[in-house]
Amino acid sequence: EVVMTQSPLSLPVTLGQPASISCRSSQSLVHTNGNTYLNWFHQRPGQSPRRLIYEVFNRDSGVPDRFSGSGSGTDFTLKISRVEAEDVGVYYCMQGAHWPPTFGGGTKVEIK
Amino acid sequence: EVQLVESGGGLVQPGGSLRLSCAASGFTFSSSWMTWVRQSPGRGLEWVATIKPDGSGEDYVDSVKGRFTISRDNAMGSLYLQMSGLRAEDTAIYYCGRDPNFAAVDYWGQGTLVTVSS
Repeated sequence: EVVMTQSPLSLPVTLGQPASISCRSSQSLVHTNGNTYLNWFHQRPGQSPRRLIYEVFNRDSGVPDRFSGSGSGTDFTLKISRVEAEDVGVYYCMQGAHWPPTFGGGTKVEIK
Repeated sequence: EVQLVESGGGLVQPGGSLRLSCAASGFTFSSSWMTWVRQSPGRGLEWVATIKPDGSGEDYVDSVKGRFTISRDNAMGSLYLQMSGLRAEDTAIYYCGRDPNFAAVDYWGQGTLVTVSS
């Protein structure tokens, strides 16, 4: 199965400062149909995951535009332009290009 | 408003069985691929199983094949996960979710905790 590796594991950030999370896959996430199936989720303590971004860069409805996704092939990045208090929690990347879908181990974002 | 509400979790002994349910509302359930995803401290987030909209096909992660069965009742708007031969490593919070396209789960339930222990 495809292994998803996130870094860093923990990311202390100052309010208002940018943050960046890396996600690398053990295989290309470009499907035979030409689309790239890489998604990002955010999970706050005690809550279910919430999808933020799908297919690399498409922001979900209601997701602030300070969140952006980029990348291709096996290397992907989630960026937060200016971190706000509500952004704390764990961020996960996940691939859907190969069965079974697999998640990264998560990056915990906390406020310094 | 989309709602997914899981139930059926609990404490079960190794080798035992449990049936999870997920009640869906607020979207066209009968047209949606549905999935179960679990989360545990040791294994993180793990895809468990997926079922087609009409229930005609399903797929499972290798670790549960032959032990778990995903099913659905479109008339009731319900998704199920029948689990048997439970092992300690199956201990997790189990979430049901809607899979609109290639595992990009857009709606998640609140989860139900399954604990396998003697």
